[in-house]
Parts: sequence; C-alpha cells; structure tokens
Amino acid sequence: EAQVTQNPRYLITVTGKKLTVTCSQNMNHEYMSWYRQDPGLGLRQIYYSMNVEVTDKGDVPEGYKVSRKEKRNFPLILESPSPNQTSLYFCASSLRSGASYEQYFGPGTRLTVT
Amino acid sequence: QKEVEQDPGPLSVPEGAIVSLNCTYSNSAFQYFMWYRQYSRKGPELLMYTYSSGNKEDGRFTAQVDKSSKYISLFIRDSQPSDSATYLCAMRGNSGGSNYKLTFGKGTLLTVNP
Repeated sequence: EAQVTQNPRYLITVTGKKLTVTCSQNMNHEYMSWYRQDPGLGLRQIYYSMNVEVTDKGDVPEGYKVSRKEKRNFPLILESPSPNQTSLYFCASSLRSGASYEQYFGPGTRLTVT
Repeated sequence: QKEVEQDPGPLSVPEGAIVSLNCTYSNSAFQYFMWYRQYSRKGPELLMYTYSSGNKEDGRFTAQVDKSSKYISLFIRDSQPSDSATYLCAMRGNSGGSNYKLTFGKGTLLTVNP
C-alpha cells in the first residue's frame, strides 16, 4: 500500500530534550515536506526537500532541523524543544517538486512539550 | 492582508444540501489551486486541483477558479454525512524552488447532518 508513515504518533516530552520524528514514504517520491498545524493558524511549512541531500527552509523553520540522506526518509529533528513547538506535525510527499500540488500526507504526530 | 483567506466556519448543513466553500487570495502568482479534505485525527488528502482559471468536476465535487477576482470555490452536491470534515484550500505558483510551496487556508469545518 502506498503511504507516508510517521513515528511516533503521539509524544509528550520536556523542554530541552532532543527528539526526532521519523517520516518514511514508499512511493519513490522526490519531494518531501514537513508541516505544523495549529488552531487558528492552519498548516504551515517547516522545511522541504526537493531530493536527496537537497533541503530548504519553509515558513517556520526556527527550532527545527531536517536531513535527507535517503530518498524515502525525511526525519524532523527538534534539538531543544520548547513549549511553543507543541503542535500537530505532518509529513508529506509528492512525486516531484513540480507536482507538489498533489501531496500525500502522513497520519500526523501530536507533540506536547511541557 | 493574508495571502490566503478562508472562513473557518463551522458550517452545518442537512444531508442532500449543496455546499459552497470559498477562499480568496492576494498573490497573483498563484497558478495551481487545490482542495484538500481532512477528517478528524487524519492527515489531509487531495480532493482535486485546478491549474489557472476555470472549472473542474469530479463526481459530486466541482472546483471553480476566478483569477480575475482572486476567488476559488468548491461545491459539493447532494452532500452526505461522510463529507463531514475540514476542507482546506491551498495554492502555489508555477516556477521553481520555493514557488513549489503550498500556501494553505486555515480550513472550513463542515458537518453534514443526517
């Protein structure tokens, strides 16, 4: 089954404790992206990757890091999480950057930072 | 002025009603216009996209784009309880790099009552 998977689905952590949210897709997609979704603010892009080893900032990159060493994986790293990073996070992928209008989203990771 | 404006609702209609969902935008560079549907506790899924102006129909769903007014609409005919979800409009430009980024509206919560 073609899908985007994220782990963990739910995470409660404390301020300053480094964490990684994994994202993997099995569709051989080139373009991958991370979003956060907050009430009243909608979906905002954090980082995106147009291909292996090619990443760039989205609208709200502060406090986040990403890497793209393999085509299928695009982990999101929070090196020192803070309470304002409490949010619902989605990973998404599309066949290529030019086809980013057709993105497939993962199920989401709900992160709470206390 | 925000790039994409979408009335968050909530919108509650009886089964069988025609539903109209709308977004306005300010960036004249937007060329691709998408509608995503997001069920509770799930990731968004693409319903349909339109390139430039015009209409597109898919079953009970019709998307319209009026670039002269910077206004897009999604119509749902014969609405069903299974259509109850949050509907997100999204848009992007047509050239490379960061123009592949999607800009989302905040979403409209729709409930279709049996």
